[in-house]
Amino acid sequence: NAGVTQTPKFQVLKTGQSMTLQCAQDMNHEYMSWYRQDPGMGLRLIHYSVGAGITDQGEVPNGYNVSRSTTEDFPLRLLSAAPSQTSVYFCASSGASGNTGELFFGEGSRLTVL
Amino acid sequence: AQSVSQHNHHVILSEAASLELGCNYSYGGTVNLFWYVQYPGQHLQLLLKYFSGDPLVKGIKGFEAEFIKSKFSFNLRKPSVQWSDTAEYFCAVGRYSSASKIIFGSGTRLSIRP
Repeated sequence: NAGVTQTPKFQVLKTGQSMTLQCAQDMNHEYMSWYRQDPGMGLRLIHYSVGAGITDQGEVPNGYNVSRSTTEDFPLRLLSAAPSQTSVYFCASSGASGNTGELFFGEGSRLTVL
Repeated sequence: AQSVSQHNHHVILSEAASLELGCNYSYGGTVNLFWYVQYPGQHLQLLLKYFSGDPLVKGIKGFEAEFIKSKFSFNLRKPSVQWSDTAEYFCAVGRYSSASKIIFGSGTRLSIRP
């Protein structure tokens, strides 16, 4: 059981480049989300999705796009990377059944923008 | 909108000392509350959660937390810490009955002196 899988684990970009962080879960979870983690700021919610075809903005959505075409996948796109997007990104999923709300996290993707 | 405040940014304790980490949230409705832990180099793991019922919840590794609705607080406690508890601890809040939009606090780094 893989859980939540993120790729790549590490990435270095130049300012202005684009890239996609991939996230896949095999738990049939309806809810998926992306967070960024920065020192002293905890985890900040970027975008989230409550099901296929439905996405919404979190606390810090600017500079990021998402889509949810399947239940399993929730990619995060950076269209034009900026140094301020240097961070560790975590994808997380949650099942709505039983109102658990518990998030299951991927192992993170460390992104450096030069 | 939800928000979470963790007042202690860095706590340093000796082994066997008692621990209490503060967490206050802001949200007008009924909430789900969580504490997550992140050990060095790892992703976040659930420590404990509160949805309803007994406001004193027990989690893994001897941790517990008390939900005080009148104070909008959900403080984390452990009677006697161990060196292996060195980690970063995050409080989080979500709307009750929903798997969506879980917001995290800025985290508290706990360092245990052996």
